[in-house]
Amino acid sequence: GENVEQHPSTLSVQEGDSAVIKCTYSDSASNYFPWYKQELGKGPQLIIDIRSNVGEKKDQRIAVTLNKTAKHFSLHITETQPEDSAVYFCAALTQGGSEKLVFGKGTKLTVNP
Amino acid sequence: KAGVTQTPRYLIKTRGQQVTLSCSPISGHRSVSWYQQTPGQGLQFLFEYFSETQRNKGNFPGRFSGRQFSNSRSEMNVSTLELGDSALYLCASSLGFGQGANIQYFGAGTRLSVL
Repeated sequence: GENVEQHPSTLSVQEGDSAVIKCTYSDSASNYFPWYKQELGKGPQLIIDIRSNVGEKKDQRIAVTLNKTAKHFSLHITETQPEDSAVYFCAALTQGGSEKLVFGKGTKLTVNP
Repeated sequence: KAGVTQTPRYLIKTRGQQVTLSCSPISGHRSVSWYQQTPGQGLQFLFEYFSETQRNKGNFPGRFSGRQFSNSRSEMNVSTLELGDSALYLCASSLGFGQGANIQYFGAGTRLSVL
């Protein structure tokens, strides 16, 4: 079935540095790729998403890039702040048979002041 | 606009019991999806309901079931609880149709502990 691999599983950066999280997916028919941020004790919060007809999307300090050929997509956070510390999940919307979101295993990001 | 509301937030049950979790979606959303989140397996899709019908289903045993009401509120039921069912159960709502159909918004989850 559809699989989404996410790396790294943990990431520690200094405040002000950039952070990059990478995901690969297996279903070439996937056409929607959201990113979620989950803070302790809360549900995942949608922070940015991208569709397969777009290569890059930016929202202030957050950007997502998509390489359909390589089946890769990445989350870039610039000028990181301590409040960016959380677990980040990527996901891909599968198409085969039934549509559903398949999630990566998550990246725990720690931003050190 | 109110977000996705899940009740209860915490539950403690014993093996063999059954449990019902509730989810109220964002107003106007007709699709509700349920996920199980555990440290080892991450977020796993259980099922999706749209307009009171199960539209998609993940790979979970029949002990896991759900339903959706005419007001789009959804319930999830787990029968004959096992220790391995301990997890955070998340509900996500989306429009379910048209542009933005698949953009999902999550609730805070119900933490189920099975003793």
